[in-house]
Amino acid sequence: SSELTQDPAVSVALGQTVRITCQGDSLRTYYASWYQQKPGQAPILVISTKNNRPSGIPDRFSGSFSGDTVSLTITGAQAEDEADYYCNSRDTSGNYFVFGGGTKLTVL
Amino acid sequence: VQLVQSGAEVKKPGASVKVSCKASGYTFSSFDINWVRQTTGQGLEWMGWVNPNSGNTGYAQNFQGRVTITRKTSITTAYMELSSLRSDDTAVYYCARGGVHDDVYVFDYWGQGTPVTVSS
Repeated sequence: SSELTQDPAVSVALGQTVRITCQGDSLRTYYASWYQQKPGQAPILVISTKNNRPSGIPDRFSGSFSGDTVSLTITGAQAEDEADYYCNSRDTSGNYFVFGGGTKLTVL
Repeated sequence: VQLVQSGAEVKKPGASVKVSCKASGYTFSSFDINWVRQTTGQGLEWMGWVNPNSGNTGYAQNFQGRVTITRKTSITTAYMELSSLRSDDTAVYYCARGGVHDDVYVFDYWGQGTPVTVSS
């Protein structure tokens, strides 16, 4: 299977915790990474499912995985976290990369 | 690290487009260059990659036969050429540096994107 499935939209109250998930068969075998994209901008890497964040990414972002699902958790969401979030991993063959459909996060 | 892409393109259906990605600030041969596109209002779609050191490439099945990714190491630049363009190829095309960090392959730096419009 080459599919990664994400919820299209998620909302969170300012300062609360939100988890964004991504499900797919290939995630049982391969690690994933998460990308944040704001309108009109290129995506940026925020974290991998081994919980490695690039410099400059706040530690309120964390990554985890279990079985066929990977998660991005934002603990204490801020207004600037409002964005689209995409997961990425290899497909089940391991030869290609695939993105999830993206989750639009709204911070209320 | 910087990836700087070529400018916007307007093409007619059936034509080809070639987008460049100039890399700087790191050793070009040490990281892959991937290409990702995003149609208007839609999600990200991985197209393929090139290993600048070996020249080896891999292409997504959706694009095989239409996309060619190359590199010119002397000027640290990668290229993505898409042929037989259709209106649904209208999109923003990104290059992204790819590499393994702590066992995870990530796209850690991205170009600014190149809008390509296909219209008669």
